[in-house]
Parts: sequence; structure tokens; C-alpha cells
Amino acid sequence: AAGVIQSPRHLIKEKRETATLKCYPIPRHDTVYWYQQGPGQDPQFLISFYEKMQSDKGSIPDRFSAQQFSDYHSELNMSSLELGDSALYFCASSLTQGVPSGANVLTFGAGSRLTVL
Amino acid sequence: DAKTTQPTSMDCAEGRAANLPCNHSTISGNEYVYWYRQIHSQGPQYIIHGLKNNETNEMASLIITEDRKSSTLILPHATLRDTAVYYCIVRVDTPPGANSKLTFGKGITLSVRP
Repeated sequence: AAGVIQSPRHLIKEKRETATLKCYPIPRHDTVYWYQQGPGQDPQFLISFYEKMQSDKGSIPDRFSAQQFSDYHSELNMSSLELGDSALYFCASSLTQGVPSGANVLTFGAGSRLTVL
Repeated sequence: DAKTTQPTSMDCAEGRAANLPCNHSTISGNEYVYWYRQIHSQGPQYIIHGLKNNETNEMASLIITEDRKSSTLILPHATLRDTAVYYCIVRVDTPPGANSKLTFGKGITLSVRP
């Protein structure tokens, strides 16, 4: 079965540079979520999109932005990178519209590891 | 979303059942209990979820108390590959969109020993 695809898997950037992470959801899934997991931390919700519109926002820095495109893939853009942005970034997707309550299960990708030097 | 409380860690012997407890005493009537696990630095993996009734799938069983204030995830025959952090998450299911995220807490580290 198709899974959530994230790219790149590893990314190394310098401070103050910009990085873009991409997420390709499971086909037919209409909702995308982004999470950040720092070293030794638990995954923290950043932002989500439903049908290409932002649906929820968590602790996402102002330096970060994201969007969902017409083909439902999503990109997380991070600017003015700081050392503290070094983390695993997970994307998840789910099918929300028309799904019975309780069946809206999030499927996560393998993650993108960002290292800021 | 209601908060959950889990022990920090536990271990069990390979081949034995692993019973992972979770307290969610402030859970609301329309909130589900979800379990995910994360094997070292991999993406979180869905295990099972339930509302009121006990649930079972090919991975695990979920036992929810009658008052819904606590639950137990049961891995019937733990293997070394089950070593992971297990997250018990309470989540409102209100499609579409808003408030459908998962909020991860601390989780419990399960170590399966040979």
C-alpha cells in the first residue's frame, strides 16, 4: 500500500539559510499534518491543512510557512534557520471528508532529518 | 484534548504479553483513545484506537475501563521489534479539519528483553 512520502530524508543547512521539506500524502487523503521532533523530545504539532486550506496551527515559528498544493502535496518552508531547528520533521496524512468519526487515522511518513550547522 | 498519564518505562520478556497502562481521567464523551508507537527515530506508527468498547486488531488489543478513565494496550506476544516508545493519545474526532491533530505526550518506553 502507498505510504506518506517525505523528501529529502536528510538535509544539512547552515545557520540563516532556508530549507524546504516536501510531503506527498497517501492518495485520496485530504488532510496533511506537520510535526517537529527535537532530539530526545516528543513530536510537536506544527500545522495542518485540509483541502488545501490551513485547518489548525500549533507551535510553528513565524520563520516557518507551509502550504498544500492542488495535487495535495505539502511543503514546509523554513527560513533564517537556527541551530534549534535541527530536528526530525514528520508529515502525516489522513482522509477526513466523508470518513466516519473515529476512523480518521493519521499515517506518518518516515521523516526528514534537518541538521543546522 | 484531555491529557494522558503513562509510566515512563517498562520492560517485558520476549514472547510474553506486554500490558501498557494509560490514565485519562478527564476524557470527554466524544474523545477517542488512540495508541501510536515510535521505533527509534522512525515515523509514529498507528496501533489501535477505541471509544468505549474493547478493540482488537492484528497488532494489539485495547481494553478501556467502563468509566473510560483509563485503558490498557496489550501486545499479546512481545518481540524484540516491539521495543519502542508507546504513546497513548486522547483525541476529539470532529471532521473535517480542525482539532483532528494528534497531541503527543511523553509516552512510555517499552523494552523487550530476550
